[in-house]
Amino acid sequence: GQQLNQSPQSMFIQEGEDVSMNCTSSSIFNTWLWYKQDPGEGPVLLIALYKAGELTSNGRLTAQFGITRKDSFLNISASIPSDVGIYFCAGRPSNAGGTSYGKLTFGQGTILTVHP
Amino acid sequence: ETGVTQSPTHLIKTRGQQVTLRCSSQSGHNTVSWYQQALGQGPQFIFQYYREEENGRGNFPPRFSGLQFPNYSSELNVNALELDDSALYLCASSAGGQDTEAFFGQGTRLTVV
Repeated sequence: GQQLNQSPQSMFIQEGEDVSMNCTSSSIFNTWLWYKQDPGEGPVLLIALYKAGELTSNGRLTAQFGITRKDSFLNISASIPSDVGIYFCAGRPSNAGGTSYGKLTFGQGTILTVHP
Repeated sequence: ETGVTQSPTHLIKTRGQQVTLRCSSQSGHNTVSWYQQALGQGPQFIFQYYREEENGRGNFPPRFSGLQFPNYSSELNVNALELDDSALYLCASSAGGQDTEAFFGQGTRLTVV
């Protein structure tokens, strides 16, 4: 099935470093979401973006909705060990109107490892 | 904790069997979506239910079917299980309005042998 192109696939960083990951698509999205998933758990919503160009922060996390509506990035500043996990971008296609708010297309994920 | 609960948490089935997975949505949420997440991949949209009717479907065969009940809880049924059906099955609920997002349960790990 269709997936977004998310990069990098994995990252190994030192505690305190900043992290950046991004997602691109050949299709336009009306909404971009970033989730974190821990082993054996479901994805947890981190940030939601609804307008092209929007820049939103949630604590040490910052995400932006690309102007072209075909990309988004997530930055994590001053990483800590509990940031370890898999980060997914997800987009809601522009043709998913009405009550179809659950129809998300996910990226392949970025595995983040933080060394103390 | 999202308030979305799934059961069972783990399940082992034999190829050819049928399975039913269950999901209780978060209070106040009337929309439930189901996703399949294979190992090392992102979740793939299976289908969505709104007011007890299927409202959108991904690229999955008809042997994947579902139900939504008046209390908005939902079931995912898979018939004629195949080895490739082994995956984490995720349920997400949402309030269904503009700018409201889906919250996921912890998932059901299905292994087909």
